[in-house]
Amino acid sequence: AQSVTQLDSHVSVSEGTPVLLRCNYSSSYSPSLFWYVQHPNKGLQLLLKYTSAATLVKGINGFEAEFKKSETSFHLTKPSAHMSDAAEYFCVVNVMNYGGSQGNLIFGKGTKLSVKP
Amino acid sequence: EAEVAQSPRYKITEKSQAVAFWCDPISGHATLYWYRQILGQGPELLVQFQDESVVDDSQLPKDRFSAERLKGVDSTLKIQPAELGDSAMYLCASSLDFPVAKNIQYFGAGTRLSVL
Repeated sequence: AQSVTQLDSHVSVSEGTPVLLRCNYSSSYSPSLFWYVQHPNKGLQLLLKYTSAATLVKGINGFEAEFKKSETSFHLTKPSAHMSDAAEYFCVVNVMNYGGSQGNLIFGKGTKLSVKP
Repeated sequence: EAEVAQSPRYKITEKSQAVAFWCDPISGHATLYWYRQILGQGPELLVQFQDESVVDDSQLPKDRFSAERLKGVDSTLKIQPAELGDSAMYLCASSLDFPVAKNIQYFGAGTRLSVL
């Protein structure tokens, strides 16, 4: 069965320092993986996606993630945090329906990122 | 930029009452999803529509929840009767009818339900 585990429920960084949000996945198939961000009282916004092309994926707002099959990981990084990055981040795996048709998303429990001035 | 519209943004109701949420997906998106997000957790799928047909409602508590998408465009999610444990954010998402590798879902801002 497909699942994702976000290893930290809360990460706190100082503005201008690197961000690392960790995610491990479990999938019987070659997965599609996503990172979504949710600002308070807002809907979820797609940051980036991995769909079996390049293993290093670049997203919006300077974020990127690297797919490592040997480690079953898909960690999200950013070289320099900004105050506006403070939000909740969700690692997501796509669950294929039987027959490989369009499937559903399985969300991790989320990591809350705090950015200190 | 096209967005998924949801209303109302907030709903307060008493237990045993009926509530309904509305979603209008991005124009042209054949697939529509309803998720429930309990505070401190990730969203969980309740129901998925392909056009007007239900594709997956395995996680929908059918004794009290119902969902419809009569003309294959906008959708309504209903709870009757509401229970205290239904307090959550209800999110709607839509996606184009592409293969799974391009299954990007676009989310609305959600409806926050509080059951008293």
